[in-house]
Amino acid sequence: DTGVSQDPRHKITKRGQNVTFRCDPISEHNRLYWYRQTLGQGPEFLTYFQNEAQLEKSRLLSDRFSAERPKGSFSTLEIQRTEQGDSAMYLCASSSGTGIYGYTFGSGTRLTVV
Amino acid sequence: GEDVEQSLFLSVREGDSSVINCTYTDSSSTYLYWYKQEPGAGLQLLTYIFSNMDMKQDQRLTVLLNKKDKHLSLRIADTQTGDSAIYFCAEQEAGTALIFGKGTTLSVSS
Repeated sequence: DTGVSQDPRHKITKRGQNVTFRCDPISEHNRLYWYRQTLGQGPEFLTYFQNEAQLEKSRLLSDRFSAERPKGSFSTLEIQRTEQGDSAMYLCASSSGTGIYGYTFGSGTRLTVV
Repeated sequence: GEDVEQSLFLSVREGDSSVINCTYTDSSSTYLYWYKQEPGAGLQLLTYIFSNMDMKQDQRLTVLLNKKDKHLSLRIADTQTGDSAIYFCAEQEAGTALIFGKGTTLSVSS
């Protein structure tokens, strides 16, 4: 198992464009999480899935953000009409069960909106 | 609401012990974690402790939990230059997602 994979590693986009990120979790993990991290801050929770069901969304997840996990395996996070404030590292993590033994994080996708 | 507080910076000399502190506000937090983040990388789980425990030791790492004061600490014995990183404290109430602090930057000088 190669761990949690995220693609792309870096994305530079112009303001107003749409972007989509992909996360491939550890195959036997049923929970998948998205976090956002800005410089000097800790990761902030965005949303999580249990299998294909999206169980919780943060207030940070505006209506320009949408996440899917259609077959309970990989997940995508789309940001529409990007703004400069969306520039951040987007981290994906996965866990088995409810994650009480911790999450496994990917290396993240760094988004820069110019 | 939930909040996790950490001091922002700690500087130690190689071979000394490092103690990183964290306070949390949610008394329902059942599970507490320490993660390490190196530059440009994702987060690596170091250790965790459940609320029914007071202490956990794992090689050079010792975690102490004071539930009364809602205080968590991570002690790294014999700190090495490779331990230089940002350390995040995180809490989780059963069934919810992890909430992270802002991180403590540990700088180890030789």
